[in-house]
Amino acid sequence: SYELTQPPSVSVSPGQTASITCSGDKLGDKYAFWYQQKPGQSPVVVIYQDTKRPSGIPERFSGSNSGNTATLTISGTQAVDEADYYCQAWDSSTYVVFGGGTKLTVL
Amino acid sequence: EVQLVESGGGVVQPGGSLRLSCAASGFTFDDYAMHWVRQAPGKGLEWVSLISGDGGSTYYADSVKGRFTISRDNSKNSLYLQMNSLRTEDTALYYCAKDTSDYGGNPRNYFDYWGQGTLVTVSS
Repeated sequence: SYELTQPPSVSVSPGQTASITCSGDKLGDKYAFWYQQKPGQSPVVVIYQDTKRPSGIPERFSGSNSGNTATLTISGTQAVDEADYYCQAWDSSTYVVFGGGTKLTVL
Repeated sequence: EVQLVESGGGVVQPGGSLRLSCAASGFTFDDYAMHWVRQAPGKGLEWVSLISGDGGSTYYADSVKGRFTISRDNSKNSLYLQMNSLRTEDTALYYCAKDTSDYGGNPRNYFDYWGQGTLVTVSS
């Protein structure tokens, strides 16, 4: 079965750039998606199809995907960005796959 | 405004059954595939099942295959998840989520709307 691996936690200082990685076999050949989930809330998509931002998502959120790794980058991180982030991809045998999630702490 | 409202959660003993519902509004329901995604307490997201817009295609995670059945009633704008032979490891918050197309099996698709979830607790 297909698996996506994320670091359990990432810390960043306010105003700095946060990078969250998601690794999977030939992930760059698939589309990667990123969801933000704040405590007690439902997930919200912040990046779709590797690099696209839905309307209403701040420009400081960006994504890339190449080789075996997709990356969510948050530039000028704000306290409001503190949340859990999940990557997701589609696999023909496993169907929808989520990464284990990364807790972003803004110190 | 798109709204997804889940219901039907509760406490059930191992081996028992439960039927979850998701009432949808604010979009043309049968134009979109729908999913169930669950989240165990303090854990990450786990995809459970998918049904196409016309209900003709369904997919399941290996962890629930043979025990859970996804269905929909497009005349009632409703999505369902029949859960049988429940196990303690099925304890989770169950979300319904809207796909971005009618098929759902497209690698370009994703979840653009989520409900607030309904809690299922499997315990003796």
